[in-house]
Amino acid sequence: GQNIDQPTEMTATEGAIVQINCTYQTSGFNGLFWYQQHAGEAPTFLSYNVLDGLEEKGRFSSFLSRSKGYSYLLLKELQMKDSASYLCVVSPNTNAGKSTFGDGTTLTVKP
Amino acid sequence: DAGVTQSPTHLIKTRGQQVTLRCSPISGHKSVSWYQQVLGQGPQFIFQYYEKEERGRGNFPDRFSARQFPNYSSELNVNALLLGDSALYLCASSPRYGTPSGANVLTFGAGSRLTVL
Repeated sequence: GQNIDQPTEMTATEGAIVQINCTYQTSGFNGLFWYQQHAGEAPTFLSYNVLDGLEEKGRFSSFLSRSKGYSYLLLKELQMKDSASYLCVVSPNTNAGKSTFGDGTTLTVKP
Repeated sequence: DAGVTQSPTHLIKTRGQQVTLRCSPISGHKSVSWYQQVLGQGPQFIFQYYEKEERGRGNFPDRFSARQFPNYSSELNVNALLLGDSALYLCASSPRYGTPSGANVLTFGAGSRLTVL
């Protein structure tokens, strides 16, 4: 099975940088996703890592270390609209549709 | 293009009743997955269907069932509802079944919020 750990809550200031960490233990791994979920809305895709290293996408970057079972999501130049839950998601060997989600990190951005 | 659409958006049922939730995937997507999200937790995998066949099932009781139609839309049925079934039920579609990639990500609908009294 899969076990995913991420902090429950984080707070940061508008314009700052925040790093949300995720550790996972898995019996099968074929990719790690990060999703953003605003309160009352559906999760939306942010980033995907399958190989070790950093993937950059505008203000968002995601890092993966498969040997350590570790990932982080880096958000730069924080905006108020970045206040949301950030979900770390692991996909098993073969199937994106059977993804395992962490419980999410609720980020609050303050002025 | 329309995204993933789900209906109904909200519904209230009483214990013991049955409910059917519906999902239409993005045009061209052949894989549909269902997730249950309880307040304060991440989504939990219930089912995946591809080409009308069940391709995966999460740790949910037999009261939960689903099917996929020839047009790739899907229904999730829950029988003998319990208070603990109260949750947001999310449907997600992806282009195909198989190895995840940056192109084969899950796209979620807005969900159906079920309240069981």
